[in-house]
Amino acid sequence: GAVVSQHPSRVICKSGTSVKIECRSLDFQATTMFWYRQFPKQSLMLMATSNEGSKATYEQGVEKDKFLINHASLTLSTLTVTSAHPEDSSFYICSARDLGGGNQPQHFGDGTRLSIL
Amino acid sequence: SQQGEEDPQALSIQEGENATMNCSYKTSINNLQWYRQNSGRGLVHLILIRSNEREKHSGRLRVTLDTSKKSSSLLITASRAADTASYFCATDASLGNTPLVFGKGTRLSVIA
Repeated sequence: GAVVSQHPSRVICKSGTSVKIECRSLDFQATTMFWYRQFPKQSLMLMATSNEGSKATYEQGVEKDKFLINHASLTLSTLTVTSAHPEDSSFYICSARDLGGGNQPQHFGDGTRLSIL
Repeated sequence: SQQGEEDPQALSIQEGENATMNCSYKTSINNLQWYRQNSGRGLVHLILIRSNEREKHSGRLRVTLDTSKKSSSLLITASRAADTASYFCATDASLGNTPLVFGKGTRLSVIA
């Protein structure tokens, strides 16, 4: 079945560092991918919709200059957390749907746990 | 924004018992999906039920959908310790490029 790969799975870095997270659709093309953030013991909150070849759409309250999204190809979207601070520590998850497969659910990456010291 | 509520927020049962989790939502949907998440891991898709379906089964899972009440339930029968996880419902407004909207989740603990 369709698989979404997310990398890295875990990042620990100092405050002020920029961190890039990759989300790849492995066997299907995804014109749209979604980025979610999850705080401990909470649900997933949509951050932004990543659109191939155009600007991402951000949810209210999500700083686009803080969370840079690039969807340069049909199989890759990247989320860069710029100048990360401890409050950015969270679990980030991407998802995508194989639109060519009929009634398909969304497929999620395994997530990236970001810890900013 | 989150549109759904799930109850209970946490559920603890003995191995072999059945676990029922409920989900409510607010707007029209194309389908509703249930996911499982083990601690610190990604989401695993369990089952998708379309808006014109009322019940669906998959192994030990049974999902119901009542669109008139905007609610769904997930039943796990004969639970196992390995079922311990958080379970989320997510609504899908269409099968196009729309994001899922997640409920708050139920943390299930199955005690051996």
